[in-house]
Amino acid sequence: QQQVKQSPQSLIVQKGGISIINCAYENTAFDYFPWYQQFPGKGPALLIAIRPDVSEKKEGRFTISFNKSAKQFSLHIMDSQPGDSATYFCAASGISSGSARQLTFGSGTQLTVLP
Amino acid sequence: DGGITQSPKYLFRKEGQNVTLSCEQNLNHDAMYWYRQDPGQGLRLIYYSQIVNDFQKGDIAEGYSVSREKKESFPLTVTSAQKNPTAFYLCASSPHRDRSFSGANVLTFGAGSRLTVL
Repeated sequence: QQQVKQSPQSLIVQKGGISIINCAYENTAFDYFPWYQQFPGKGPALLIAIRPDVSEKKEGRFTISFNKSAKQFSLHIMDSQPGDSATYFCAASGISSGSARQLTFGSGTQLTVLP
Repeated sequence: DGGITQSPKYLFRKEGQNVTLSCEQNLNHDAMYWYRQDPGQGLRLIYYSQIVNDFQKGDIAEGYSVSREKKESFPLTVTSAQKNPTAFYLCASSPHRDRSFSGANVLTFGAGSRLTVL
């Protein structure tokens, strides 16, 4: 079964702190790992993504750490800001049998950054 | 501006009624998708289409139907057979329908439609 497990379900961080969200996957055929950010009442938007041939990718305050052997990846938000308050989804992409590329999403983490 | 337009944003339905959610994209994307979002459950794939006049069931297709008569349109019908239709529905598209990996082959989402069954 293709599954991505995400934790924690909710996270509260003080302004300026580090937010860390973790995901684990089972299917070794996954080859692309994006993170999406969703504000209330809006659709998710791509935040940052990584391929399994690198262990880390950084874009501004957002960093993905990837551990291929453990089948785990995480999102780190440095210097967290109240504007980062949103729901974050990890996802994993791979080819499903006889079909096009599909995305499997984690259950989401609701991040609240306190001012 | 290119993007995905979903309508209506809010929809109320009585039990036993079919409703159709609209999804239109002007991104010239080949593939289109419908996801359902419930609190604490992430996004679950309902149906997807890689090309006009072709579509495949996702993980939770029962009680739903779709059509893809035009490249830019992918409407979703929630039928009376769907036992628990109250949810937030998201339409998405991606540029490529082929099987090769591409870093650019990411999903672009619409703003969603919230369906409530009364």
